[in-house]
Amino acid sequence: GAGVSQSPSNKVTEKGKDVELRCDPISGHTALYWYRQSLGQGLEFLIYFQGNSAPDKSGLPSDRFSAERTGGSVSTLTIQRTQQEDSAVYLCASRRTSGGADTQYFGPGTRLTVL
Amino acid sequence: AQSVTQLGSHVSVSEGALVLLRCNYSSSVPPYLFWYVQYPNQGLQLLLKYTSAATLVKGINGFEAEFKKSETSFHLTKPSAHMSDAAEYFCAVSGGTGGFKTIFGAGTRLFVKA
Repeated sequence: GAGVSQSPSNKVTEKGKDVELRCDPISGHTALYWYRQSLGQGLEFLIYFQGNSAPDKSGLPSDRFSAERTGGSVSTLTIQRTQQEDSAVYLCASRRTSGGADTQYFGPGTRLTVL
Repeated sequence: AQSVTQLGSHVSVSEGALVLLRCNYSSSVPPYLFWYVQYPNQGLQLLLKYTSAATLVKGINGFEAEFKKSETSFHLTKPSAHMSDAAEYFCAVSGGTGGFKTIFGAGTRLFVKA
């Protein structure tokens, strides 16, 4: 596709439920990032995938959070047993290469609300 | 570890006035520096970036930023604000000791008054 897409755009769930958020990166982009944007908190790095290398999971806030990237393309971020503090906008970005100077292209985000 | 500090969570300017959004970074090696903009209800998009070429970087919509190593700063400026510049602006750093991870600042929301 022309840009990074994410689904769903909005997700409302009850506390304790599991949710899956999907990211479709730009075709051919080898690097993929997940961030969390909370009100007034900026962007919090969650996880980074680069090609077939082991992902950098250093930003995941707890073991309730996990992510995978299948076939080097689509990625799914899973949050188990959601808590109210998980409410935020989850952003996905892709980058053509792993180079630090390369631009990240962001998706529109998934707004997660945990009741 | 790398870090980014944006001074001022909110900045308000009058239309036609100078825009100055401040960003300071911390890195033990020369970093790559970025400014991203997020317009209301839209995703983040790149405004400009510094990649160790010219220290004065020009971006879209008349914005520019100057990399000052001695001050570890990368402030964003625009000579004359327009109403359409109202948005949230994020400074980010990557490369160097941070590897491929990009660290974002907390953001500065720019308000433009008529």
